[in-house]
Amino acid sequence: QVQLVESGGGVVQPGGSLSLSCAASGFTFSNYYMHWVRQAPGKGLEWVAFIRHDGSGKYYPDSVKGRFTISRDNSKNTLSLQMNSLRPEDTAIYFCAKDMYEYSGYDAGGYFDSWGQGTLVTVSS
Amino acid sequence: EIVMTQSPAILSLSPGDRATLSCRASQNINSNLAWYQQKPAQAPRLLIYHASTRATGIPVRFSGSGSGTEFTLTISSLQSGDFAIYYCQQYHIWPPSYTFGQGTKLEIK
Repeated sequence: QVQLVESGGGVVQPGGSLSLSCAASGFTFSNYYMHWVRQAPGKGLEWVAFIRHDGSGKYYPDSVKGRFTISRDNSKNTLSLQMNSLRPEDTAIYFCAKDMYEYSGYDAGGYFDSWGQGTLVTVSS
Repeated sequence: EIVMTQSPAILSLSPGDRATLSCRASQNINSNLAWYQQKPAQAPRLLIYHASTRATGIPVRFSGSGSGTEFTLTISSLQSGDFAIYYCQQYHIWPPSYTFGQGTKLEIK
């Protein structure tokens, strides 16, 4: 069974940095696109990062572009999110999410069939 | 950016009722739409993808329909565990620029 376990959340001051990790198991990690999705307290869902199965393509919404960097280590089945220049509006639960699409030679997918339990990031002075 | 708008914001129904939730896209997204259910303090769960395909293990009382800009999630006969928040999400654009609706809260009347 698929398992995604996030870690690394905590409290950080505005302008600071934080690195999140997601340990994946139960599937062939290197075959799947992966994502980070966040949810501010009491608010809806916001997609914040995408990485292709082999790490060759990374995409972000404008709200985090230039500040967040997604990466993966397929040898360790680990997904990461480096967050720099953090702002109070980045305060949220950050979920690691697996794309349902198993790479088969062309780009597709974009919907998330497994999620971690989330890790809380609080940006406050 | 494709904007997703869900209605109503809150839907108050009773167990056994039929629920109809709507999602509208700001431009044509074909059938590139997913629905998720989220219960308090839990991660979202994928219900529907490609607008009408049920994800693995999702009961048949959940159904999705629509294409283009108008989509519907129908729950045929509500059970107590169905009261939750429901989100739609588009995945139409490449390179990825995924967006969610603001959610519909389905509450017990």
